[in-house]
Amino acid sequence: SQTIHQWPATLVQPVGSPLSLECTVEGTSNPNLYWYRQAAGRGLQLLFYSVGIGQISSEVPQNLSASRPQDRQFILSSKKLLLSDSGFYLCAWSVGSLGYGYTFGSGTRLTVV
Amino acid sequence: AQSVTQLGSHVSVSEGALVLLRCNYSSSVPPYLFWYVQYPNQGLQLLLKYTSAATLVKGINGFEAEFKKSETSFHLTKPSAHMSDAAEYFCAALGGGSNYKLTFGKGTLLTVNP
Repeated sequence: SQTIHQWPATLVQPVGSPLSLECTVEGTSNPNLYWYRQAAGRGLQLLFYSVGIGQISSEVPQNLSASRPQDRQFILSSKKLLLSDSGFYLCAWSVGSLGYGYTFGSGTRLTVV
Repeated sequence: AQSVTQLGSHVSVSEGALVLLRCNYSSSVPPYLFWYVQYPNQGLQLLLKYTSAATLVKGINGFEAEFKKSETSFHLTKPSAHMSDAAEYFCAALGGGSNYKLTFGKGTLLTVNP
């Protein structure tokens, strides 16, 4: 069966420090991968999505970047965190058949202090 | 572009009462529609989905939703609320040109009172 792993679960980082969040998917090939951010009272914001290795689409200009070095690995990064980067980050995957929707990871709670 | 509107950011019901969470989508082409539930500090879990088959869709935990094209709505209901239903609920749409991207509503926080 397919599973999605996301880590760490919680993270407290100082302003100006780097960030690396990792997401991996098991049990499927060539998934579409997504990073969402959920800030308090602001719903879910799509940050990046990827339809293949090395293919990254950015939805909003910001302090973050994403990479997909392997088929089932998706990494969210920042060189210097801002206070406004705090939030709950969710990774998700989908397969080519659109009707299945997305499957989400358990999320990372990032607090920038 | 696709948009999803959830009416009411916060809904409060008594245990045993009907749950009704509202969702409207904007698209001239009926999209795929989904309801997700999120418990505190957890990811989103799929409750149910509409994919152009039956208009009344049954999901997990006793929830169901009805697709109404004439009203562009996909409201979520449950006949009798349980305390364990307290969570945030998100309606989402996929399609109408954004084939890879789910568009989410802003969410509705459901509170169940004893």
